[in-house]
Amino acid sequence: DQQVKQNSPSLSVQEGRISILNCDYTNSMFDYFLWYKKYPAEGPTFLISISSIKDKNEDGRFTVFLNKSAKHLSLHIVPSQPGDSAVYFCAGGQAGTALIFGKGTTLSVSS
Amino acid sequence: EPEVTQTPSHQVTQMGQEVILRCVPISNHLYFYWYRQILGQKVEFLVSFYNNEISEKSEIFDDQFSVERPDGSNFTLKIRSTKLEDSAMYFCASSEAEFYTEAFFGQGTRLTVV
Repeated sequence: DQQVKQNSPSLSVQEGRISILNCDYTNSMFDYFLWYKKYPAEGPTFLISISSIKDKNEDGRFTVFLNKSAKHLSLHIVPSQPGDSAVYFCAGGQAGTALIFGKGTTLSVSS
Repeated sequence: EPEVTQTPSHQVTQMGQEVILRCVPISNHLYFYWYRQILGQKVEFLVSFYNNEISEKSEIFDDQFSVERPDGSNFTLKIRSTKLEDSAMYFCASSEAEFYTEAFFGQGTRLTVV
């Protein structure tokens, strides 16, 4: 049972354009969601989070949108940079339990 | 900046052998986790640990696996009688509190069972 789904395994974007990474979830009990970024040979690093009571959180070039009725969230990166090329994981969490990760989306930003 | 460190970075072991993967969490963190990622698959939760005991474990974390915090700084994952399908990247993570805050991950240990 995939509680967190990232249906696009890869995304290619040109430098300067917007990257939109999507994530769907089935567990309506999640209290919050996080995005992690992972470079090869490194562990995931935290990028941005959003509480389930909010619909938007912004941090610099990164914005996460949450649509609870659709059980969908997205990460927007504007403008995209070559250094953003990595695997992005969406994760859902609730109090007292571990994070549940999606499979990840590989973002490639070309210059 | 404080970080989670894992050793070794790569471990090759023969099937049936026992391995111990080591982690040093961030010093003021209280919650510790192990995740794994089989090549090409998603990051999977194995176990969480708090106050010197397991607080949650997944169905993957069966009797083959055990965790320990032997000396107050290290956090270890032991895999007994390794199988080929145990080959994966194993990530340790720690957090100050339960997952209301982000967890910080180590760089991972690549386990190869041959």
